[in-house]
Amino acid sequence: SQQGEEDPQALSIQEGENATMNCSYKTSINNLQWYRQNSGRGLVHLILIRSNEREKHSGRLRVTLDTSKKSSSLLITASRAADTASYFCATDANDMRFGAGTRLTVKP
Amino acid sequence: GAVVSQHPSRVICKSGTSVKIECRSLDFQATTMFWYRQFPKKSLMLMATSNEGSKATYEQGVEKDKFLINHASLTLSTLTVTSAHPEDSSFYICSARDQGAPSSNYGYTFGSGTRLTVV
Repeated sequence: SQQGEEDPQALSIQEGENATMNCSYKTSINNLQWYRQNSGRGLVHLILIRSNEREKHSGRLRVTLDTSKKSSSLLITASRAADTASYFCATDANDMRFGAGTRLTVKP
Repeated sequence: GAVVSQHPSRVICKSGTSVKIECRSLDFQATTMFWYRQFPKKSLMLMATSNEGSKATYEQGVEKDKFLINHASLTLSTLTVTSAHPEDSSFYICSARDQGAPSSNYGYTFGSGTRLTVV
């Protein structure tokens, strides 16, 4: 990827379980964003966390940001089969660069 | 909210021909637009940054003569894949930055992508 790695690359869980995805990046940033992409489709913006924020919530999503470690995590609680998708972090440093992504599969 | 229209959504072309992809910001002005390429099961790779009225800035390894970018107005950027080959087959996505949004806020809007297949 152009801006670091995400892990795991693939994650398979059962419905109802929580899913945690991690993202690392390399440069200083204005903010970090998480996106979702269903197979072969466009991007859906999930959540943005600014560089001066440490944690943010939106519904079943919880994002953390550690600028000292240049890392972020996305937690999806009580996962559903419909959450099956690829998830990407993207850093805004006056352009938008994406991490490698995590392919999440939620089994019903 | 801000909307970016990308057209076409799918295109199949013959090897050796050129294909133009349009990216329009419908309700805001975008001094800067970005073009990405995505291979199957891979991430989005920034190809170039398109600035209205000036030459695009290409990422390392992206052939500027192969991928021609024109940003002639504040609402339209085009990517032309010239002399396309099967290895150019990919998903191309544009993004426009809303200049009216504060720089510290979310100001990026993505198009829905173009799936190019070169046969």
